[in-house]
Amino acid sequence: NAGVTQTPKFRVLKTGQSMTLLCAQDMNHEYMYWYRQDPGMGLRLIHYSVGEGTTAKGEVPDGYNVSRLKKQNFLLGLESAAPSQTSVYFCASSYGGQDKNIQYFGAGTRLSVL
Amino acid sequence: AQTVTQSQPEMSVQEAETVTLSCTYDTSENNYYLFWYKQPPSRQMILVIRQEAYKQQNATENRFSVNFQKAAKSFSLKISDSQLGDTAMYFCAFMKRNNNDMRFGAGTRLTVKP
Repeated sequence: NAGVTQTPKFRVLKTGQSMTLLCAQDMNHEYMYWYRQDPGMGLRLIHYSVGEGTTAKGEVPDGYNVSRLKKQNFLLGLESAAPSQTSVYFCASSYGGQDKNIQYFGAGTRLSVL
Repeated sequence: AQTVTQSQPEMSVQEAETVTLSCTYDTSENNYYLFWYKQPPSRQMILVIRQEAYKQQNATENRFSVNFQKAAKSFSLKISDSQLGDTAMYFCAFMKRNNNDMRFGAGTRLTVKP
């Protein structure tokens, strides 16, 4: 069972470069989420999606964009990377309805911006 | 805004003994969910246990149980018969019932010693 797969696992960027993180889930989940995890802090929600073609802002959305063109994929984009975006990024997915609060996580992407 | 506080950055326990991790939260909501997630060195976030606020009975999953005190806004995790594989970061999290924004505490690093 693949579950939630994040690509890539590691990435190093220079300030000002752009990149896209890919999240794919094979559980037919309606909801998908992007979080970031910084040292000494819990995960913080960047953006989320409640279905194909829909996205919404979370707690820390600035500097990021997302797209959900297909139900199984949720993309996180950094248009002009900054050192403050150095972090570990986690994708998660969940069913809709009453079970939407049970989230399944990917293994994370470690991003360094120099 | 909801906040989640984990006051123990690090804890250790001897194998086979019992340990309790603390969590408090702040909210004006009446309907919400509380979670404990485990993050081992592999970084994968794994759901340990979930509690629905409207249920008075404390949730239990095998060796893991919670002490949910709604009036005190406290949600502690008890791990019985600790095993070496329990060594991980443990995060307490909160989510309002009709919301998609999960808020995490800063985590407690638990080490189980042989």
